[in-house]
Amino acid sequence: AQKITQTQPGMFVQEKEAVTLDCTYDTSDPSYGLFWYKQPSSGEMIFLIYQGSYDQQNATEGRYSLNFQKARKSANLVISASQLGDSAMYFCAMRLNSGYSTLTFGKGTMLLVSP
Amino acid sequence: DTGVSQNPRHKITKRGQNVTFRCDPISEHNRLYWYRQTLGQGPEFLTYFQNEAQLEKSRLLSDRFSAERPKGSFSTLEIQRTEQGDSAMYLCASSLGGPYTGELFFGEGSRLTVL
Repeated sequence: AQKITQTQPGMFVQEKEAVTLDCTYDTSDPSYGLFWYKQPSSGEMIFLIYQGSYDQQNATEGRYSLNFQKARKSANLVISASQLGDSAMYFCAMRLNSGYSTLTFGKGTMLLVSP
Repeated sequence: DTGVSQNPRHKITKRGQNVTFRCDPISEHNRLYWYRQTLGQGPEFLTYFQNEAQLEKSRLLSDRFSAERPKGSFSTLEIQRTEQGDSAMYLCASSLGGPYTGELFFGEGSRLTVL
């Protein structure tokens, strides 16, 4: 069975600073995908970034990048130049490529961006 | 708006009553998922449909829960004889089949409060 661990319940960052949100995962499957979602107070889960287990390069999407360290089974999200609108819950998730395409989520990290 | 739509957004009910939630996925998506999210937790998988077939159910889905997706379009999640422990946000998501990143598109959720 797969497991996602997010050890930071909350993080604070000042506007325009960079912040790293930690995520570790556990699976014995060699083929999987890692995702980060943002959940603002409205409740909708917003997809941010994806990393495949066989991808050679770290994924980037605008201000988001994923620091993928396969040997350490970590997939940390880096947000550069934080904005006030980045304040939200952030969830790391994993999908195994065997079986059905369901996502397993971590408990999340609350990010607060201050002016 | 062509995103995932969920209704009702909020439902307050008394213990023992039945409730039904509806999800309208993105029209071309053949995969549909239900998740449950309680306070301070990440979403937990409940069930998964590919077209009209319910292919996977979590053990979280007790016999009081039933989900359908007639004709492979919208889906309903019914909870019978509600209990206070059923209070949660119920999230619906949809995705395309075939080789892809596995990104799930989520609706804004249906929040259930059982008194």
